[in-house]
Parts: sequence; C-alpha cells; structure tokens
Amino acid sequence: DTEVTQTPKHLVMGMTNKKSLKCEQHMGHRAMYWYKQKAKKPPELMFVYSYEKLSINESVPSRFSPECPNSSLLNLHLHALQPEDSALYLCASSQDNWVADSQETQYFGPGTRLLVL
Amino acid sequence: SQQGEEDPQALSIQEGENATMNCSYKTSINNLQWYRQNSGRGLVHLILIRSNEREKHSGRLRVTLDTSKKSSSLLITASRAADTASYFCATDNGNQFYFGTGTSLTVIP
Repeated sequence: DTEVTQTPKHLVMGMTNKKSLKCEQHMGHRAMYWYKQKAKKPPELMFVYSYEKLSINESVPSRFSPECPNSSLLNLHLHALQPEDSALYLCASSQDNWVADSQETQYFGPGTRLLVL
Repeated sequence: SQQGEEDPQALSIQEGENATMNCSYKTSINNLQWYRQNSGRGLVHLILIRSNEREKHSGRLRVTLDTSKKSSSLLITASRAADTASYFCATDNGNQFYFGTGTSLTVIP
C-alpha cells in the first residue's frame, strides 16, 4: 500500500468552528508532514513529525494544532480560523525525516480543500 | 523566503514536443527533487538528483543540476496530454525543505 489518505476531501467551516483534518498512511513511514497550499502557489511546510514527535513547526499560528496519535495517523486540529486560512492542506509521509536523510522521497495525499467563511 | 524559483511560470506546447522548465535556488543543497501536481491534487515525486550528480534520466524525464549556477532543469521528451500539470522543484539543504514557485505545463492534443 503506497497511498496516503486524507479526510475529508472538502471542508467548509465558520470562524468559530472547531474541526479536524485526518491523514493516514500504512507504508511504515516514520515521518509525516502537513503543508498548506494557496491557489497557484507552491506548498508551504507547516509541521514535521518524526517518530511521532513534533520535530519542526514552521512558525504556524496556534489556531492550527497538529497531533500524531500513532505512527500511521496525523491530525490537524483547527480552531478559530480566519478566511485567509482557506487553502488546500496536504499531508505527506516519508520513510524517515528528510533532516535525518536528505534523500527521502515524500508521498503526498490528495489534500483537503478548506474554505473558511 | 522562497528558496527556489522556476521559469517559465507557464508553458504551453503541442503533444509530441519537448518541454523544458528551469529551477534556480539560493543556498547550497544536499539534493534537488522534482514533483508533479495535477490540478488541485497531491504531489507525485518524479526524480531526485543529488548535489554530486550532474544529470539523471527516468523514462521520458531528464534532469540536470548545475551547482555552480544553483540551477536545475527538467526536460520532458515526447510530451503527452497527460503530462499537463504543475511541476515543482524542491530543495533540501539539511535544515529546510522548500518547493519552488512551479511551472504550469499545458500539453495540447
């Protein structure tokens, strides 16, 4: 199984809502990532988990809260988001963290398209 | 700040033609990767070239790397309509991982 799955595919939420994005992989990868991608822009790294521990937080606002319950799952909890947070949120995984091994290939999920009203 | 910039931003060619896109970056790197993204979907890894390599091939893809100029190019030969996508380079310098600005390729049947 070489697939990274993400749910939901689409999400519409108000600025006072609390929601969660979910990501799952069964490739035995020990590193997982969250990216944010605005339209016609490259993905921007948000968080990196390595061996279920948060290893990189790219100065992301606290209204985004990542969680890694186990080595196969990665969540992104959303609370009090702003309209400018509307974007495609991509999850990825790799065998190991690219900081540990710079030749890591990342496998991406299809993304969750988020709209904040 | 963005590590990699690509040009052209958009490229439109006829099926069967070759497509070349370029990536320039700012700092020294460990390796450079190319990814493809179909409209609004996840990215797919295409090829990785290490900093001590100059050229690499994979099927219809040819990647070159010039570390002295801090640039890389991706050549897609004999393009197909299915190659229509955005292409991103990604650089890793051991501390940071950045995607370039991307090239949007349209292959006209």
